[in-house]
Amino acid sequence: AAGVIQSPRHLIKEKRETATLKCYPIPRHDTVYWYQQGPGQDPQFLISFYEKMQSDKGSIPDRFSAQQFSDYHSELNMSSLELGDSALYFCASSDSGTSGSYEQYFGPGTRLTVT
Amino acid sequence: GESVGLHLPTLSVQEGDNSIINCAYSNSASDYFIWYKQESGKGPQFIIDIRSNMDKRQGQRVTVLLNKTVKHLSLQIAATQPGDSAVYFCAEATRYNFNKFYFGSGTKLNVKP
Repeated sequence: AAGVIQSPRHLIKEKRETATLKCYPIPRHDTVYWYQQGPGQDPQFLISFYEKMQSDKGSIPDRFSAQQFSDYHSELNMSSLELGDSALYFCASSDSGTSGSYEQYFGPGTRLTVT
Repeated sequence: GESVGLHLPTLSVQEGDNSIINCAYSNSASDYFIWYKQESGKGPQFIIDIRSNMDKRQGQRVTVLLNKTVKHLSLQIAATQPGDSAVYFCAEATRYNFNKFYFGSGTKLNVKP
């Protein structure tokens, strides 16, 4: 079965640079979620999109923005990168309960390292 | 924000034994609970979920128990195998939005052969 695809898998950036992370949800899933996971920490919800509109916002810094495109893929844009932004960034997708389950399917993550 | 946490950060069990991973939550509006397994370098993988109108739900070798009175849930893994070694997270969502998950701190399960 198709899974959530994230690219790139690894990214190294310097402070103050920008980064763009991409997410391709499972086909027919209408909701995309972004999470940030620091070393040894639990995933922190950043933002989500339902049918290309922002549906929920979590602890996303103002330096970050995201959007969902007409083909349902999503991009997380991160500017003025800081050392503390180094983390795993996960994208997840779901059908928002249409199937009866609210399970969120996670991608493999993008490991961002800011030097 | 919501508060979901775990009692034990690390759990070591012998292969073949049963494992119990605990989780506490504080929001009385929590209505949906999920357990995820995360292996090193991978994304969280869904294990089992439970709605607040249930006390128990069973899957393959896993059982989730929910005690709403004390706001506690647990994941029981029967006949733990080396492949079960991972970090386990509980997450919860309120009745207002089942699509917004709040994750608790993970418990690392080490299975000794």
